[in-house]
Amino acid sequence: NAGVTQTPKFQVLKTGQSMTLQCAQDMNHEYMSWYRQDPGMGLRLIHYSVGAGITDQGEVPNGYNVSRSTTEDFPLRLLSAAPSQTSVYFCASQGRGAGSYEQYFGPGTRLTVT
Amino acid sequence: GIQVEQSPPDLILQEGANSTLRCNFSDSVNNLQWFHQNPWGQLINLFYIPSGTKQNGRLSATTVATERYSLLYISSSQTTDSGVYFCAVGEDSNYQLIWGAGTKLIIKP
Repeated sequence: NAGVTQTPKFQVLKTGQSMTLQCAQDMNHEYMSWYRQDPGMGLRLIHYSVGAGITDQGEVPNGYNVSRSTTEDFPLRLLSAAPSQTSVYFCASQGRGAGSYEQYFGPGTRLTVT
Repeated sequence: GIQVEQSPPDLILQEGANSTLRCNFSDSVNNLQWFHQNPWGQLINLFYIPSGTKQNGRLSATTVATERYSLLYISSSQTTDSGVYFCAVGEDSNYQLIWGAGTKLIIKP
């Protein structure tokens, strides 16, 4: 049981490049989400999904796309990277039902846009 | 929307000391979780505690839902307890969590 996995751990992009951050979970959780964390700050929700085929925007969705074709995977796409997107990105998943509402996080992806 | 305030923002203690971290929230919730972010950035779920009291080793948490606050207690602090502690609240029905700004804890040896 690997929990929530993210790849890559580190990434450097040039302004205007695109890329996809990968996230997978093996806990059969319905809910998955992407956060960004800027230095010294809390977490801000980018996009989330309550199940395969269902996604919605969070607090800071601009410049990012997501899709959820399977329960396990929830990739985050940066369309045209900007220096303002330099941040640490966390993927999380959460179950449903008695005792299953805990949210679990992946190890994060540290992204630098130059 | 729901506001979440954590206090204190920073806390510096000697190893072996006890500490109490507070989380206030502005509206009724039925989902409250405490997380620890260690100095390497990893986020660990400590407690799911929408009400009542739970204990896990040296850590315990109490949520008084009717008064809209939660407390995280750390006893006999160790240097490995250093990091940022976040409180997040929400409703089980919509999954989304509203996050506090965190309490940064430094434990000195």
